[in-house]
Amino acid sequence: QKEVEQNSGPLSVPEGAIASLNCTYSDRGSQSFFWYRQYSGKSPELIMFIYSNGDKEDGRFTAQLNKASQYVSLLIRDSQPSDSATYLCAVETSGSRLTFGEGTQLTVNP
Amino acid sequence: GAVVSQHPSRVICKSGTSVKIECRSLDFQATTMFWYRQFPKKSLMLMATSNEGSKATYEQGVEKDKFLINHASLTLSTLTVTSAHPEDSSFYICSARVPVGYGYTFGSGTRLTVV
Repeated sequence: QKEVEQNSGPLSVPEGAIASLNCTYSDRGSQSFFWYRQYSGKSPELIMFIYSNGDKEDGRFTAQLNKASQYVSLLIRDSQPSDSATYLCAVETSGSRLTFGEGTQLTVNP
Repeated sequence: GAVVSQHPSRVICKSGTSVKIECRSLDFQATTMFWYRQFPKKSLMLMATSNEGSKATYEQGVEKDKFLINHASLTLSTLTVTSAHPEDSSFYICSARVPVGYGYTFGSGTRLTVV
């Protein structure tokens, strides 16, 4: 089992729709969870982090964490073409190191 | 905010030569720097963790003699790919934990092509 797994994608949504990205992790001791956006040829940029169960909202982005189910998700409301990118779920494991999922490629169609 | 400056952004080298990649934390001190490698359409794979003033910790399967890491100061970490071969061609990215709040900041990455 991979340490961090994301829905494989690619995911395609129309402009204005909600994009839903999912991630599961295997280490129950993980405490912090991050969503990064990566444009082609660029390095990742932090979208959101979450460490408490429940929802965390920041503008059009909502991160959801369920530690019992070892599940974290990212919702993007009112998706824009500029949101088209690969989204990486990252989990901070013991030793303060990040483990990344394979990423989900999102395309928002105008 | 916390910025990590990475250079060069792109390098092409001949097989057998060595390439050095630098990462500098511009407005904070990074006691720990993480080095990742990313192949096309793949995720980031942690190669090694460098700590200022001590030896780097390499992930399983990463050759420490091939990927030399030096973290001589609190603001500079370097990765040297020695005797590079075409299979070393990849996107190399450094990262450091932000000093305030949560998260990790990433350098802009180095695209290495070995011909």
